[in-house]
Amino acid sequence: EVQLVESGGDLVEPGRSLRLSCTASGFTFRDYAMNWVRQAPGKGLEWVGFIRKKASGGTTEYAASVKGRFSISRDDSKSIAYLQMNSLKTEDTAVYFCTRGYTNPFDYWGQGTLVTVSS
Amino acid sequence: DIQMTQSPASLSASVGDRVTITCRASQGIRNDLGWYQQRPGKAPKRLIYAASSLQSGVPSRFSGSGSGTEFTLTISSLQPEDFATYYCLQHNSYPWTFGQGTKVEIK
Repeated sequence: EVQLVESGGDLVEPGRSLRLSCTASGFTFRDYAMNWVRQAPGKGLEWVGFIRKKASGGTTEYAASVKGRFSISRDDSKSIAYLQMNSLKTEDTAVYFCTRGYTNPFDYWGQGTLVTVSS
Repeated sequence: DIQMTQSPASLSASVGDRVTITCRASQGIRNDLGWYQQRPGKAPKRLIYAASSLQSGVPSRFSGSGSGTEFTLTISSLQPEDFATYYCLQHNSYPWTFGQGTKVEIK
């Protein structure tokens, strides 16, 4: 059974950093691109970015709202994808979901982890 | 960026009704579109991929159609568990973008 489990969400002050993890199981992690999607309270879904599988270069793409502040990485030996979030802003407050895929993406989702940016 | 205009923003319907939700892309995206259902407090769930392919395990009352710039999600006979918010997503070009969502409520 495919499972994605996010962790690392917390309450942080503006300007600080936080790293989220997405631990995968039930599939061959190295064969999939991994994505992050977020949802601010009471709002819609926003794609944050993704990392390709290493066989496709392992490169990343980001939404303009996070480019230069957030970075996605992966550890295929541990089946974990990371979202490093720097220079956090209050508008980054959201539930962050990890989800997989590239060609026909987002077939499986984690349950989400809440990040609150507030002083 | 490609804008996805989803309509309506909300609708009220009864069990058994036929429901149609539309997404329009600001430029052609071939069939690089998926539909997702989200119940309150839950993660989204994929219903349709490649514009018209039904996700395994999803009831056949859900169907998708369209290509290019205009896409439709249809629920042929609304069931109680279908009351939720629905989103389209284009993954043709970066940044990938979602529609604003359609909240389906009980009449």
